[in-house]
Amino acid sequence: DTGVSQNPRHKITKRGQNVTFRCDPISEHNRLYWYRQTLGQGPEFLTYFQNEAQLEKSRLLSDRFSAERPKGSFSTLEIQRTEQGDSAMYLCASSFSLGGAEAFFGQGTRLTVV
Amino acid sequence: QQQVKQSPQSLIVQKGGISIINCAYENTAFDYFPWYQQFPGKGPALLIAIRPDVSEKKEGRFTISFNKSAKQFSLHIMDSQPGDSATYFCAAQGGDKIIFGKGTRLHILP
Repeated sequence: DTGVSQNPRHKITKRGQNVTFRCDPISEHNRLYWYRQTLGQGPEFLTYFQNEAQLEKSRLLSDRFSAERPKGSFSTLEIQRTEQGDSAMYLCASSFSLGGAEAFFGQGTRLTVV
Repeated sequence: QQQVKQSPQSLIVQKGGISIINCAYENTAFDYFPWYQQFPGKGPALLIAIRPDVSEKKEGRFTISFNKSAKQFSLHIMDSQPGDSATYFCAAQGGDKIIFGKGTRLHILP
């Protein structure tokens, strides 16, 4: 499977715990995005990387959220001290960095904070 | 500030009919307008996309109409089929991040 891979697919955690999600993009893609999607809404931009550099972070990304892409390949998104409002689908996408290049999405990680 | 507005929120169409979803954008720096299709439990998948230098793009049963002066674009699904039942998102991109509309849940009646 050469698509975007996200793990885990589902995560249930207690409020206050830390969670980490992983995204493996399509290998040739140098751009990687993280989005959050809540029920009935469109994906909301969180952050993106060009290779290993994090180029933009949304205001939605509070201090409890951190993302890394250490070698310009896979990426991790960590949420510290989770809150019930963090419950959502976290989507990762990758693309070439050319303008208008198609972004390919993974199947997402569904986080439930209880 | 919502940069891409999409309507309707939900749409029911008879099999064989035409499904029409509309979007409007605000930022004139956007230069790429994709439509994504999402099935339950899956990530969004690119359906069709257009650049503002053309007014229409057709791929099979799917057509995008683009009105640059009005800053509006729409998706038309001809001969709608039950398999088209999904959530559709319009989006706009200006070189980096993709901004999505809130989505339209489309249901095609058999």
